[in-house]
Amino acid sequence: GAVVSQHPSRVICKSGTSVKIECRSLDFQATTMFWYRQFPKQSLMLMATSNEGSKATYEQGVEKDKFLINHASLTLSTLTVTSAHPEDSSFYICSAPTDPRRYTFGSGTRLTVV
Amino acid sequence: KQEVTQIPAALSVPEGENLVLNCSFTDSAIYNLQWFRQDPGKGLTSLLLIQSSQREQTSGRLNASLDKSSGRSTLYIAASQPGDSATYLCAVRWDKLSFGAGTTVTVRA
Repeated sequence: GAVVSQHPSRVICKSGTSVKIECRSLDFQATTMFWYRQFPKQSLMLMATSNEGSKATYEQGVEKDKFLINHASLTLSTLTVTSAHPEDSSFYICSAPTDPRRYTFGSGTRLTVV
Repeated sequence: KQEVTQIPAALSVPEGENLVLNCSFTDSAIYNLQWFRQDPGKGLTSLLLIQSSQREQTSGRLNASLDKSSGRSTLYIAASQPGDSATYLCAVRWDKLSFGAGTTVTVRA
């Protein structure tokens, strides 16, 4: 079946540094990728939608300059958390539609900013 | 506003008992509804997908029902096992996918 590979699974970084998270579609082309954030015991919140070859669409309240999204190819989308602070610590997860009805999710990235 | 609610937030049952997980949503004009399983610190595993025109879907011990008019879906897990312990998320697709906060299930051996 369709697989979305997400790396890294865990990352610890110092406050003020930037962190890049990658999501790759392994056996299908993902023209669209969705990026979510999940706080403990809360639901997944959609942050942005990336589209191959064009600018990402951000949800209301999400800082586009802090969460940089790049979707340069049909198999790779990246999320860069810039100048990370402890409040950015969270679980980030991507997903891509594998057919018009279904989404496949990556395994998620646990970001801890110290 | 389109919202998805899952109650209870947590559930603990003895092994062998049937599980009933509830999901409610505010706008009945859905495209589809999906149930996911999430293990601690892990990604999401799709369990069942119900299209808006369907009333239920079944896979093994899992059965999910959908009642759009009342804005509800129920996930049934028969004869629960300790390996069923996880968080179960309900996601409703309108134009985008919206998630409930999940129900964390513990099955006691």
